[in-house]
Parts: sequence; C-alpha cells; structure tokens
Amino acid sequence: AQKVTQAQTEISVVEKEDVTLDCVYETRDTTYYLFWYKQPPSGELVFLIRRNSFDEQNEISGRYSWNFQKSTSSFNFTITASQVVDSAVYFCALSWAGSYQLTFGKGTKLSVIP
Amino acid sequence: EAGVTQFPSHSVIEKGQTVTLRCDPISGHDNLYWYRRVMGKEIKFLLHFVKESKQDESGMPNNRFLAERTGGTYSTLKVQPAELEDSGVYFCASSRRDFTDTQYFGPGTRLTVL
Repeated sequence: AQKVTQAQTEISVVEKEDVTLDCVYETRDTTYYLFWYKQPPSGELVFLIRRNSFDEQNEISGRYSWNFQKSTSSFNFTITASQVVDSAVYFCALSWAGSYQLTFGKGTKLSVIP
Repeated sequence: EAGVTQFPSHSVIEKGQTVTLRCDPISGHDNLYWYRRVMGKEIKFLLHFVKESKQDESGMPNNRFLAERTGGTYSTLKVQPAELEDSGVYFCASSRRDFTDTQYFGPGTRLTVL
C-alpha cells in the first residue's frame, strides 16, 4: 500500500525565518516518484518538483530546497528566508511505476507572518 | 499555454439534486484525471482518462458519479443525486502521455451539498 504522511498540519513562521515541511512516504515499489504541490489561497495546485526514486540528489531552486532520503523514506521541503507569498497549503504526493494515480498527504498549511 | 480550467468554481446544491462539473485540460494532454478533497482529508484519486477512454475508475465512490470525456477533449463529472458527503473540492488534472509526465492541476470546483 502507498501512503504519504505530512505530520505537520499547520505551521506559522515570521517572515525571513527558514521553515521545513516534512513528508514521509511508504511504498513497496522500488521505482516511484515524489512530488510537492503548492496550493495558494486562490485554490489551484501548483506543481513545484518531481523526484524519482533513483535520484537522491538534493535539489535547490532559489529559496526552495528538497531533501530526499530513501533511508528514512522522507522527502522534506525547506523554504529559506520565508516570505508572505509563501503562505499556502503544501502537499506531498507519491506515484509508482506504471500507475497514473497520485497518493497525497493531508497537506501542511504554512502561514508566514509579516 | 493555458492551464487546466474548471467550471464552475463554486456550486451549492441541495441534497438530491444533480450537478455537473466541467474540466478543460491543457491542450495536447492525452491524460485527464479527477481527484476530490473532502474537508480535512487527503486529496483522493477518482478516475483517469486516456483520450476518451476510462483507464482507471477505481476511486469512484459509487454509481451516483458519472464521468465522461467527449472526443478526448473536455471532461464532465456528474453527481446524481447528490448527497451531503459529496461536499468537497473536486480537482481536475491533465498530463501529456506517459505515467512519468507531471500532472498539472486546475483550480478545483468547491461543491457544497446542503
């Protein structure tokens, strides 16, 4: 069975603080894909990143970075120097080879306070 | 390139009524998906079309839900008759061809059944 756990329901930080959103996944497949999506107040899900199970390199994109660790089945997301525009619900998701379904976590609501 | 669009953005209906949600995928995307998020829970997969064919309906909750994709373009999701537990946000997503292609989501339709 596939499962994604985002244990943090809500996080509040003050602007310019760094924040890490946790994502732990479960899968029996050896080939799988991990995703992060952002849902701003406007409602749409915005794709942020996709990682496949064979690529454990960390990724950095501007203020965003992702830490993929197969040993702990985690795919954590860090925002450096947070800004008010980062306020959103962030979803971690998983899919496996041959499947088109995404399995989502419950999401983490991030509030960045000015 | 236009993103995934959904109509309406909100719908409020009474129990027993019928509602039809529409999704227009990104042009050229063969795959179209419906997902649903019931309040406080995960976003859950409902079904997947490849062009006009239903590829996977394993997430459809019951036979009150009917999805169609006319000519492999836009899709509709009809709920008839609606029940209180159908309330939630219905997301549509599309992807190009392969299961490795990223799914891009629309803004969702918020359905409230009173």
